[in-house]
Amino acid sequence: DQQVKQNSPSLSVQEGRISILNCDYTNSMFDYFLWYKKYPAEGPTFLISISSIKDKNEDGRFTVFLNKSAKHLSLHIVPSQPGDSAVYFCAASDDSGAGSYQLTFGKGTKLSVIP
Amino acid sequence: EPEVTQTPSHQVTQMGQEVILRCVPISNHLYFYWYRQILGQKVEFLVSFYNNEISEKSEIFDDQFSVERPDGSNFTLKIRSTKLEDSAMYFCASTSGTSGGLNTQYFGPGTRLTVL
Repeated sequence: DQQVKQNSPSLSVQEGRISILNCDYTNSMFDYFLWYKKYPAEGPTFLISISSIKDKNEDGRFTVFLNKSAKHLSLHIVPSQPGDSAVYFCAASDDSGAGSYQLTFGKGTKLSVIP
Repeated sequence: EPEVTQTPSHQVTQMGQEVILRCVPISNHLYFYWYRQILGQKVEFLVSFYNNEISEKSEIFDDQFSVERPDGSNFTLKIRSTKLEDSAMYFCASTSGTSGGLNTQYFGPGTRLTVL
């Protein structure tokens, strides 16, 4: 049961270029989408989120795009920096009624930014 | 900057033993979570906790698991009789809960549980 899918396990990008990480979902009840970044031996770190009522959210070098009709979102990082090298997780949540908004994660995409 | 802490960082146990994983969420947060990540797999939700009771739990969170907030700061996950398949990285997370789904869940560094 893969409600959140990240089909690219890895991505390599040159420093200064754009990184585009993709995510697809199947559950139309998801209301919120988040991107987390994870370094080895650390917990996931929040990057950016978007509500289903929006189609774009920007924060500095990071922009998330949401296409609800295609059930697809993407994270753009521009310009990419070597410090961005990490595993990026797409996550989604919905209000199941209890207010806890637990996250459903994708498998992650390992981004390598080459100097 | 406030952060979620977890202890121990690595726990090794024998199959059938009880383990308790500890977490200190961010102090003014109201919702607490446990997730786990088996090696090579995705991060999976286990349980959420609010107002001193479980608010949601996944199918993974069976009778072998329990959570508790024994005092005002700690949040614990107990596994009563560990199995080999419980070996995983366990992450605690917390959020203030004031902005619904857009509330950031802050994760701790994780406890690596190895069941032999």
